[in-house]
Amino acid sequence: DAGITQSPRHKVTETGTPVTLRCHQTENHRYMYWYRQDPGHGLRLIHYSYGVKDTDKGEVSDGYSVSRSKTEDFLLTLESATSSQTSVYFCAISGPGSLSGNTIYFGEGSWLTVV
Amino acid sequence: RKEVEQDPGPFNVPEGATVAFNCTYSNSASQSFFWYRQDCRKEPKLLMSVYSSGNEDGRFTAQLNRASQYISLLIRDSKLSDSATYLCVVPSGGSQGNLIFGKGTKLSVKP
Repeated sequence: DAGITQSPRHKVTETGTPVTLRCHQTENHRYMYWYRQDPGHGLRLIHYSYGVKDTDKGEVSDGYSVSRSKTEDFLLTLESATSSQTSVYFCAISGPGSLSGNTIYFGEGSWLTVV
Repeated sequence: RKEVEQDPGPFNVPEGATVAFNCTYSNSASQSFFWYRQDCRKEPKLLMSVYSSGNEDGRFTAQLNRASQYISLLIRDSKLSDSATYLCVVPSGGSQGNLIFGKGTKLSVKP
């Protein structure tokens, strides 16, 4: 299994509070991603990173920010959590080449409930 | 056509059956494709990659039809342990990092 660790794995938080999810990899892979998965929508890309301090928006980036200060860590922050952000969040990594031809590997997921 | 479309199922099959899933995609420029397997409340895991016309791995066969823009996954001699959701994945034509995931096809193999 790819060396990807997500924390926390489960969190319940109140509307309006900030939340940070952490993804840590031991594979030294260049690309890191944050996805959310919801019933009826499948996996959707929130943000991704193609290097230290290099990030870009995905399909559903509103309400989220990310940071990557080290190769191994990719943080996802919900500045002010809303109930619509209740979801399971997956971090993923992929190898050093271009995306096509490289598979991505997922962390175990972080279950977030906003009440 | 939606970017990636899969029959959501569920497919309920007996052990030993052969089952096939199809996935259609809209980006004709896509070069590589993937099937992932996801168990309930677990992360998706790579099952197979498809780069040319097809790929076979034991009981699993993935085929690609570029002209019709679909990929298929065939599972022979189904096992109880094959019960899962199978996700079709296609790189989009955009920037790095944009994989398009199908919503998945749920398979339930019964004794």
